[in-house]
Amino acid sequence: AQKITQTQPGMFVQEKEAVTLDCTYDTSDPSYGLFWYKQPSSGEMIFLIYQGSYDQQNATEGRYSLNFQKARKSANLVISASQLGDSAMYFCAMRLANQAGTALIFGKGTTLSVSS
Amino acid sequence: DSGVTQTPKHLITATGQRVTLRCSPRSGDLSVYWYQQSLDQGLQFLIQYYNGEERAKGNILERFSAQQFPDLHSELNLSSLELGDSALYFCASSAGDPSYNEQFFGPGTRLTVL
Repeated sequence: AQKITQTQPGMFVQEKEAVTLDCTYDTSDPSYGLFWYKQPSSGEMIFLIYQGSYDQQNATEGRYSLNFQKARKSANLVISASQLGDSAMYFCAMRLANQAGTALIFGKGTTLSVSS
Repeated sequence: DSGVTQTPKHLITATGQRVTLRCSPRSGDLSVYWYQQSLDQGLQFLIQYYNGEERAKGNILERFSAQQFPDLHSELNLSSLELGDSALYFCASSAGDPSYNEQFFGPGTRLTVL
């Protein structure tokens, strides 16, 4: 069965430092997409970054980059130069692109706390 | 602002009651997804509609139902509510083409069942 695992319930980082949030996935399908979402305390889900299973290069969006290691089935989120506003819950998710539905399967999330 | 709207923002009701949550997708998006976020189950996919038709089902209880109307807005109906149904319910939308990557989430409806 398809599964997303986030093993870090909480992470702590100081402002301006980089932080890596871990995500491993399990699927036997060759075509899939990996997503990271941010959920601040206000509750909304904010899309951060996407990586397709056939993408050759790691995805980057501003301060966010996705360290995609296909053989290890990992899709870690790297946030460079952390800011106080990065404090939030972060979810890794997977979409199975070759299914009729393209719903997302989410991990349990990692709470990131950024201190000054 | 994702462009996805959900009403109401908060809903407090009693066990045994029925409620309807409403979602308007982003302009032009054909797919609507409903997700439930609870402390014990995390974020779970409930159901997806594409252009008015049910496309996929996840862990949706039989007491729950949904539909998507011709104007593409969607409603999630929750009946015979139990305490355990208290959760944050998200609607998300996408263009519907699997090659289009993003799902845009609405602000959510927080349901409290007393």
